[in-house]
Amino acid sequence: NAGVTQTPKFRILKIGQSMTLQCAQDMNHNYMYWYRQDPGMGLKLIYYSVGAGITDKGEVPNGYNVSRSTTEDFPLRLELAAPSQTSVYFCASSYGQGYEKLFFGSGTQLSVL
Amino acid sequence: QQPVQSPQAVILREGEDAVINCSSSKALYSVHWYRQKHGEAPVFLMILLKGGEQKGHDKISASFNEKKQQSSLYLTASQLSYSGTYFCGTESGDSWGKLQFGAGTQVVVTP
Repeated sequence: NAGVTQTPKFRILKIGQSMTLQCAQDMNHNYMYWYRQDPGMGLKLIYYSVGAGITDKGEVPNGYNVSRSTTEDFPLRLELAAPSQTSVYFCASSYGQGYEKLFFGSGTQLSVL
Repeated sequence: QQPVQSPQAVILREGEDAVINCSSSKALYSVHWYRQKHGEAPVFLMILLKGGEQKGHDKISASFNEKKQQSSLYLTASQLSYSGTYFCGTESGDSWGKLQFGAGTQVVVTP
C-alpha cells in the first residue's frame, strides 16, 4: 500500500519558472491537502479539495493553483516562481473531513534561486 | 490564528518525562498531535475531541482542557525514538476539517 506519493523529492527552480508538484493517493480518500513548511515553522495550508472537481483556498494560496480531476491526484502548480516559495511542500489526504487523521506524503523540497 | 506551542525545544535524557503544551484563542472542536522526524513527513499520533478526553499511545499520552482551549502532550519515560518535532493541529468552527498547526516543539532525547 503506497499511501500518499509525492514527486519530485527535490527541485531547484529559477525565479520566474513554473512547475507542477505531483501528489497521488491510493486510499480512495476524498479529502486532499497541500501544506508548505518553512524552516522552524509549522505547516501552512495552501489549498485543499473535498472531492474531484472541488477545490478551495487555504491560508496561503497566492502564487499557487490546484486542480482535482480524479479522486487519486491533486497536483499543485507554481506559476512564476519566487524566492518566497522556497519551502518544503507536503501533500496529505484524509478519509473524511473533521476529526480525521491526515496521511502525509514524504514531501518535496523546493528551492527558488 | 495558529495555536501556540510551548516550549519551543526540550532536551531530555532517556527515561525522563516532558510536557508539551498547545493553546488556542479559539473554541476548539479537536486537537491533533503529530511527530516529524528530521527530513521525514509528519506522522499521526492521536486526536483529542471536545469533551476533555484523554488518550494515550504506549507512553505518550495527551489531554484536552476544553475550558482553557489547551492540550498537553505527555512524554513519559522517554526513549531515543521519541526524538523529533511535535506539532499540534487544531480544528475550530471556522477551520473545520482544515487543521491549523502550531510552530512545533523540538524534542531531543539523549542516551
